[in-house]
Amino acid sequence: EDKVVQSPLSLVVHEGDTVTLNCSYEVTNFRSLLWYKQEKKAPTFLFMLTSSGIEKKSGRLSSILDKKELSSILNITATQTGDSAIYLCAVEASQNYGGSQGNLIFGKGTKLSVKP
Amino acid sequence: NAGVTQTPKFRVLKTGQSMTLLCAQDMNHEYMYWYRQDPGMGLRLIHYSVGEGTTAKGEVPDGYNVSRLKKQNFLLGLESAAPSQTSVYFCASRRQAKSYEQYFGPGTRLTVT
Repeated sequence: EDKVVQSPLSLVVHEGDTVTLNCSYEVTNFRSLLWYKQEKKAPTFLFMLTSSGIEKKSGRLSSILDKKELSSILNITATQTGDSAIYLCAVEASQNYGGSQGNLIFGKGTKLSVKP
Repeated sequence: NAGVTQTPKFRVLKTGQSMTLLCAQDMNHEYMYWYRQDPGMGLRLIHYSVGEGTTAKGEVPDGYNVSRLKKQNFLLGLESAAPSQTSVYFCASRRQAKSYEQYFGPGTRLTVT
């Protein structure tokens, strides 16, 4: 059965700290791994990773995929209170040869709380 | 562009009542999805559609039906609501094929008493 596991499930840090969130997966026919940030409402897209070892970066956030280890990390440097959210990891797997329904398998998320 | 919108934002139902949640997108996306999110469970796929007139079951389809009569709309129906269907429901859409991110609507909070 395909699954995505995130750790830790929750994390409390202080402003200025650096955090690393983990995501591991077991899926057949992996296509891509996505990170989303969810504050009070809809998840918003952060990164999509398809190639191993290539870092995606946006401001203080960065992410990298390790296909050999079937995992990804999301790093946030110099955290701010506005980074407080649930961070969701999702994996897209091909259901048919050469095709994909684009279905995502989500992990349970990591709840990050940044204290002033 | 409004992106993905959902109607209603909140709803309270009594056990056995029925209702329909509406999802609309103005991005001309082929694929649309309905998820439910429960505390500590992440997002779970209920049903999805890969184009107008098509629907398919996801991970947790029981108790729900869907229809995609128009490309921009994806409806989620509960025929006989149960307390176990108390959840936050999210709709999402994405472009066809390859790997593109899904865009999410703001969610509908449904309580079944």
